[in-house]
Amino acid sequence: GAGVSQSPSNKVTEKGKDVELRCDPISGHTALYWYRQRLGQGLEFLIYFQGNSAPDKSGLPSDRFSAERTGESVSTLTIQRTQQEDSAVYLCASSLSSDRVTSPLHFGNGTRLTVT
Amino acid sequence: SQQGEEDPQALSIQEGENATMNCSYKTSINNLQWYRQNSGRGLVHLILIRSNEREKHSGRLRVTLDTSKKSSSLLITASRAADTASYFCATVMNTGFQKLVFGTGTRLLVSP
Repeated sequence: GAGVSQSPSNKVTEKGKDVELRCDPISGHTALYWYRQRLGQGLEFLIYFQGNSAPDKSGLPSDRFSAERTGESVSTLTIQRTQQEDSAVYLCASSLSSDRVTSPLHFGNGTRLTVT
Repeated sequence: SQQGEEDPQALSIQEGENATMNCSYKTSINNLQWYRQNSGRGLVHLILIRSNEREKHSGRLRVTLDTSKKSSSLLITASRAADTASYFCATVMNTGFQKLVFGTGTRLLVSP
C-alpha cells in the first residue's frame, strides 16, 4: 500500500515568502509527526497530531511556524516570512497509535526547503 | 533538545565485517527505537526494544539495552555495501508527552 507522501519534494523560495508543505499519512494512522532535519544533523521535533488535535506544539521554532491537520488525514505545515535558517528537510511521519509510541513511525521522503 | 547521542559519528568498514553503533540517553525511557536513513530519503524503522528488555534480534541486527547505563547498541553482522546509511536511535520517555526524540546519528560506510 501507499506510504507517507510529502509534497513538494523540493521547494526553493525567496526570503520573506510564505511556504506550505503537505503530508499525506498512511490511511488509518491516527498519529502524525513533523520533524526538521538540518544538513548532516539529527531530527528536531516540531509538532505532533493525534487525530486533528495537536497536544504538543512546543517544538515549533517560532510563531512563524504553524500546522494543521484535517481529520486523520492530510496535514500542512506553514512557514510564514521564511528566513534562511529555515532551510532544511522537513520530514513527516505517521503511526498507528501514539500510545507511548510503541508503533513504528513511517516516514515520508521529506520536503527539502531552500530559502534564498 | 536531543536526548540521544550516537557514537561513533562516522564508521567506515569493509563488507563482511560487523558494525557496532552505540547510543546514550539521559532520562528514563519507555522504549528505544533504531532507524535507518539512506541519503536523501526518509527514515525506516529497524527495531524497537522496550525498557524491560535487554536484547533483541532481527535478521542481521542485534540490539542491546542497558537501562542502568542509559545506553543501547546496534550491531549489524556480516555487513553489506547496501547497509551504507545513517543510523539513528530514538527514545520515548516515561513521563510527559509521548514523542520520539532522535539522536544525532552514526554515518556508516560499508566498502565492497
